[in-house]
Amino acid sequence: TQLLEQSPQFLSIQEGENLTVYCNSSSVFSSLQWYRQEPGEGPVLLVTVVTGGEVKKLKRLTFQFGDARKDSSLHITAAQPGDTGLYLCAGVQGNNRLAFGKGNQVVVIP
Amino acid sequence: NAGVTQTPKFQVLKTGQSMTLQCAQDMNHNSMYWYRQDPGMGLRLIYYSASEGTTDKGEVPNGYNVSRLNKREFSLRLESAAPSQTSVYFCASSELAANTGELFFGEGSRLTVL
Repeated sequence: TQLLEQSPQFLSIQEGENLTVYCNSSSVFSSLQWYRQEPGEGPVLLVTVVTGGEVKKLKRLTFQFGDARKDSSLHITAAQPGDTGLYLCAGVQGNNRLAFGKGNQVVVIP
Repeated sequence: NAGVTQTPKFQVLKTGQSMTLQCAQDMNHNSMYWYRQDPGMGLRLIYYSASEGTTDKGEVPNGYNVSRLNKREFSLRLESAAPSQTSVYFCASSELAANTGELFFGEGSRLTVL
């Protein structure tokens, strides 16, 4: 059983469109991280959210942590080809272990 | 800025052969990790080292051994490779002793076992 479920698994959109991907769990996390992984590279941290209900913005990317700290969403406004990549969420559990979801593969078509 | 460096980047092995993946970080981090990434499975933790001199099993340790050679280096050894170990392996490091801080990943080592 996957602790963190990410949906949709794959998303293809046109440049300029908006998109939202989700990271859901039945478990509570003390914090949640979002990484982006480009082909042939390792994941790179985008943001960490800690407080329930917290919203963080990184240019055109908006991250939200659910009020109950069980889920998170990533919204991209006016997607660019450079946003193409695998978006991974990772939650910190009570035992201080980090659990990764399987990822949201996003493809932005020019 | 090198960050986390993994070698080799690509390797093809025959079943039963052994090999060691090398990892070094230059950020003076305490903790280091080895993950494997497979299609449809996400990132899974193989082993980690919270600090120099300590190692612990992760989610999928069977078939692997590790050595924390010093604070900079953490190696992963496959003693008798199996096709099920075909994967992309990532080394990572973090400043915090607990697995809660930002992870810095290497570029990955792509291993094929025939």
